[in-house]
Formats: sequence, C-alpha cells, structure tokens
Amino acid sequence: GENVEQHPSTLSVQEGDSAVIKCTYSDSASNYFPWYKQELGKGPQLIIDIRSNVGEKKDQRIAVTLNKTAKHFSLHITETQPEDSAVYFCAARSSGDKLTFGTGTRLAVRP
Amino acid sequence: EPEVTQTPSHQVTQMGQEVILRCVPISNHLYFYWYRQILGQKVEFLVSFYNNEISEKSEIFDDQFSVERPDGSNFTLKIRSTKLEDSAMYFCASRATSGRAGDEQFFGPGTRLTVL
Repeated sequence: GENVEQHPSTLSVQEGDSAVIKCTYSDSASNYFPWYKQELGKGPQLIIDIRSNVGEKKDQRIAVTLNKTAKHFSLHITETQPEDSAVYFCAARSSGDKLTFGTGTRLAVRP
Repeated sequence: EPEVTQTPSHQVTQMGQEVILRCVPISNHLYFYWYRQILGQKVEFLVSFYNNEISEKSEIFDDQFSVERPDGSNFTLKIRSTKLEDSAMYFCASRATSGRAGDEQFFGPGTRLTVL
C-alpha cells in the first residue's frame, strides 16, 4: 500500500520568514495530494491540494509543488504569521479512495 | 458554509462496552469515511462508504467495527467491544462526488474516545 513520509516533524520560524515542509510517497499510482492544517482540538482542514497532472499550485501565501518522477511534494508558506502555527499533514490518494497521511509537522511561528 | 458535525465531542467508556460515534456529513455528499488519530500520531484511514456499502477498509477495521447510514443524514461508527487501544480521536469525513470537483474530503471536529 501507499506510504507517506513527512519532514521535518517540528519547524520553528520567525514571523515573516518562509516555511517548507516536504513529503515523499511510494505509490506511483497516487494522483491527488492534499495538505491539511490541524489546530489544537479540531479536525484537519484542507489548505491546498494538487493533482498529479500539475507541477505547482499557489493560493496567496501558500504553494505546493509536486515532482512525480521523484515522488515528492512540498508545502511552501511565505510571510508566515503567528496564526499559521499548527500541525500540518500531507496526504496522498492512490488506488481506491482513502487518504494516506504523513506523520505531521508541528509549525511554530515566533512573533 | 456547510460542515461535517460529530457527536459526542468526548466519549468515555469502560473496556468491553459498545460505543456508537455519530456523524452528520455535508448534505449533498455521497462518500463517507472514518479515520482515527491516536494521540500524537498521524491520521489513519479506517473505512470508506458509498451507496450504502463499504467501499474499502483498513486492517484496523476488524469485526469489532461496523458502519451504518441509518437514515438520509447520519453516518455512524460502532465499536462492539472496546479495547484500551481503541482510545483515539475519531474523525468522520465526507466528499461530494467523483471527478475533479469532488476531490476534497471534509473532516468533522472529531470525537475523542477514551476507553478505561
């Protein structure tokens, strides 16, 4: 089955700096890669996603890049703000419909 | 904005007892899921449900687990005889339809299950 690795597990940045979180996946059949933000005590909330036929997608301060050949995808957050502090999960959807999640990155943005 | 809701927010039960976790997916959605997250760990898939039957299930989803859509709005997860290791946050999710517009799975706020 699919296996998703995520790095780093924790990330601390100064407000205004950029944050990058990286994920790799194992199943070349995976075709959809969402990123979720999880705040304390809440469910995961989708922040951006990308399909396998696209290399990059941007939404304001958030961007995701996908390298199908290398089977890795990354989340980029620019001009970080304290409210960006949360746990971020990458995920991949391969055959079937389920999402396989990475292990999460705890992002702390220092004011 | 429509959202997935879950009840209760926290359930405490004794080992061996049955629990039912309830979810109300977004109203026009057709695909339903349960995931769980053990404290401090990643979110794990349990089961997907479409057209009144299970589409896919993980190794975690053994005979102690069952799902049901008893009416047009609720989607439930039953654990027949809870074990200590069932303690986790359980998330319900729903998705609109197949095709590009229906990719996103919307997650509920979760039910924290504590088995004593």
